[in-house]
Amino acid sequence: AQSVSQHNHHVILSEAASLELGCNYSYGGTVNLFWYVQYPGQHLQLLLKYFSGDPLVKGIKGFEAEFIKSKFSFNLRKPSVQWSDTAEYFCAVNKGSSNTGKLIFGQGTTLQVKP
Amino acid sequence: SAVISQKPSRDICQRGTSLTIQCQVDSQVTMMFWYRQQPGQSLTLIATANQGSEATYESGFVIDKFPISRPNLTFSTLTVSNMSPEDSSIYLCSVRAGGGPQETQYFGPGTRLLVL
Repeated sequence: AQSVSQHNHHVILSEAASLELGCNYSYGGTVNLFWYVQYPGQHLQLLLKYFSGDPLVKGIKGFEAEFIKSKFSFNLRKPSVQWSDTAEYFCAVNKGSSNTGKLIFGQGTTLQVKP
Repeated sequence: SAVISQKPSRDICQRGTSLTIQCQVDSQVTMMFWYRQQPGQSLTLIATANQGSEATYESGFVIDKFPISRPNLTFSTLTVSNMSPEDSSIYLCSVRAGGGPQETQYFGPGTRLLVL
């Protein structure tokens, strides 16, 4: 069965530190990749997405992610985190070039940024 | 994008009762989804609800337990029937919007359910 794995369950960083959250998926065909963020008390928001083209995608709030097909990975990065980045981050994948497949989520990573 | 609202935002229910959750979208959408997020876990798709057809349920979810209605392109309901404490969870409505092959999925604020 298709699965999405996020390696880090809980990450604690100081402000200005660099961030990289891992995401790997198991499906071998065409995939569409997403990162969602859930700030405390708020609902899920789309951070960035990859469908095709440049494998390095930029999202909101200075986040970016790189799709490495050979590694089945879509890691999320930010060069310098802020306290306001404290949130839960979810990687998600749907398969197929038509983007009609169901969205499968990873387990989520809780990021805590210390001021 | 799409703006999604859900009612109720939270509820505490007794075992054996049922709760209907409403989802309203600010634009017409074809595909609507219902997810469950159990405490400390990720999101799990319950079913896909397309207007004009019966909902499609994922493995482990059945219509008798989670009946869904989709009367039009902006509204859907999910009922959690004959509840038990194991049904305590956040239930999320989601839609695809934006048009074309790069449609994006958006999520509502969720309904936080506690079953005693």
